[in-house]
Amino acid sequence: DIQVTQSPSTLSASVGDRVTITCRASETFRNFLAWYQQKPGRAPKLLIYKASILESGVPSRFSGSGSGTEFTLTISNLQPEDFATYYCQQYSVYWTFGQGTKVEIK
Amino acid sequence: EVQLVESGGGLVQPGGSLKLSCAASGFLFSDSPIHWVRQSSEKGLQWVGRIRNKRNNHATAYTASVEGRFTISRDDSKNTAYLQMDSLRPEDTAVYYCTRHLDGVKTDCWGQGTLVTVAS
Repeated sequence: DIQVTQSPSTLSASVGDRVTITCRASETFRNFLAWYQQKPGRAPKLLIYKASILESGVPSRFSGSGSGTEFTLTISNLQPEDFATYYCQQYSVYWTFGQGTKVEIK
Repeated sequence: EVQLVESGGGLVQPGGSLKLSCAASGFLFSDSPIHWVRQSSEKGLQWVGRIRNKRNNHATAYTASVEGRFTISRDDSKNTAYLQMDSLRPEDTAVYYCTRHLDGVKTDCWGQGTLVTVAS
């Protein structure tokens, strides 16, 4: 199985900040990597798929990059509604998810 | 509007069974693979398994920890997928989500989730 490891597990930031979350895979795979945002009591919401493609309706301050075994999610100009937990997911060989990164208010 | 709605969760004793349903609307259900994902505070998000479309013979696959205990099926005439869970264990306690996956592209729709609690 391809394992994915997210870092950091928690991130403290302020409105207007630029934040970066990293997802590292245990082996190289095709860019079948997605990023989700989840708020308490809600299902995950797709932000980015195929590593860098922005899902329709998602603000352009969200961006994804990377290939091989290292991928990143960047949120530029952090907004109040962005404080949430973020997960990466590989879907190249079945599915595995990262452990999550909680973005909290500094 | 693309929508998935799970139902059937609840409290069940260890060793018991439960069947979850996932009702779909707003898209061509019969063409779509359906995946089940669960989430617990202990293990985070975990893929449970999937069922492919008719063109791919409704093939199923499962994560190792549920293989032989869980069965995914679908009824395309009812736009509904199912997750039959047998021999339940306390570690199966989680919120269960069904998801729509566009093959090789993205998972763009999740249900609201249904809570399964396995306890005596």
